Amino acid sequence: EVQLVESGGGLVKPGGSLRLSCAASGFTFSSYAMNWVRQAPGKGLEWVSSISSTSTYIYYADSVKGRFTVSRDNAKDSVYLQMNSLRAEDTAVYYCATSVFGYWGQGTLVTVSS
Amino acid sequence: DIQMTQSPSSLSASVGDRVTITCRASQSVSTNLNWFQQKPGKAPKLLIYAASSLQSGVPSRFSGSGSGTDFTLTISSLQPEDFATYYCQQTYSPFRTFGQGTKVEIK
Repeated sequence: EVQLVESGGGLVKPGGSLRLSCAASGFTFSSYAMNWVRQAPGKGLEWVSSISSTSTYIYYADSVKGRFTVSRDNAKDSVYLQMNSLRAEDTAVYYCATSVFGYWGQGTLVTVSS
Repeated sequence: DIQMTQSPSSLSASVGDRVTITCRASQSVSTNLNWFQQKPGKAPKLLIYAASSLQSGVPSRFSGSGSGTDFTLTISSLQPEDFATYYCQQTYSPFRTFGQGTKVEIK
């Protein structure tokens, strides 16, 4: 059974940093690209970032480019999202999802507030 | 970036109704389009991929059609468990943009 479990969310002050993790199981993680998607409270889905299976190709939404960094560790079956210079508008539930968005984690809430 | 526009933003329907949601891309995405269903407090669920292919385990009352810039999600006979928000997403560009969502409510 495919499982994706996000962690690392929490309350952080504007300008602060946070690192999200997504632990995968139930499939050959190293063969698949991974994605991060977020959803602000009461709002729609926003694609954030994608990383290819070998980290060769990495893409970011304009809203996070230069502040967020995606990475992965295929030995640990995990993907990460390092979030710096956080803003109030980054407040959202952050989901990781598999390459073609067939599987999603439960999400982790990031709240940016003073 | 490719912009995805859904219509309507919300609709009210009754159990048994046929429901159609449309999604328009700002440029051609061929058939590289997903449809998702999301219920409150839950992660999105993939319903349709490649514009018209039904994801495993999804009821056959859901169907998708279209190519290029115009796409449709149809629920042939709305069931109580189908009241949710639906999103389209293009996967043509590596910048995987979503539509703004369509909320299907009970009439």
